[in-house]
Amino acid sequence: GENVEQHPSTLSVQEGDSAVIKCTYSDSASNYFPWYKQELGKRPQLIIDIRSNVGEKKDQRIAVTLNKTAKHFSLHITETQPEDSAVYFCAASIRDSGAGSYQLTFGKGTKLSVIP
Amino acid sequence: GAVVSQHPSWVICKSGTSVKIECRSLDFQATTMFWYRQFPKQSLMLMATSNEGSKATYEQGVEKDKFLINHASLTLSTLTVTSAHPEDSSFYICSARSRRAFFGQGTRLTVV
Repeated sequence: GENVEQHPSTLSVQEGDSAVIKCTYSDSASNYFPWYKQELGKRPQLIIDIRSNVGEKKDQRIAVTLNKTAKHFSLHITETQPEDSAVYFCAASIRDSGAGSYQLTFGKGTKLSVIP
Repeated sequence: GAVVSQHPSWVICKSGTSVKIECRSLDFQATTMFWYRQFPKQSLMLMATSNEGSKATYEQGVEKDKFLINHASLTLSTLTVTSAHPEDSSFYICSARSRRAFFGQGTRLTVV
């Protein structure tokens, strides 16, 4: 099955600096890569996702890059703010065309702390 | 985005009792829902895939007789933790998908 590795496990940055979180996946058939932000005791919230036919996607201060050859993808947060502090999870999945559903395999998470 | 509602948000129960958790897709139909378990400071671990109208598919190491899943309609899946023990205390989260996967708000289960 799919295996997703995520690094680093913790990351501290000064407010205004950039943060980068990296993930690798094992199954070359994976074609969908979402990123989730989870605050303590709350549900994971989808912040950005990318499909395998795209190399980069940006949404305001957040961007994701995908290197299919190397099987890794990264989350970039620019101009970080204290409210960006949370745990971030990457995930990978293979779309089941029959059921039409994604079974996600998650990385272990990165605890991001933005220091004011 | 699509709305997935999970209830209850938290529950405390005595050892040996059973607890039912509901997961509803409010504005779309979901033939497949997923149940995850999350321990403190850890990632989400898939427990089982709930399939509407058929048996759930359980991940290795998850006891199907302990974690009963029923997906009787296209908008509702339930997870019942049977004969709960303190080690079952955890955060349980369901997920359903329209174009993207969305999560319920989670259920904090504490077994005393």
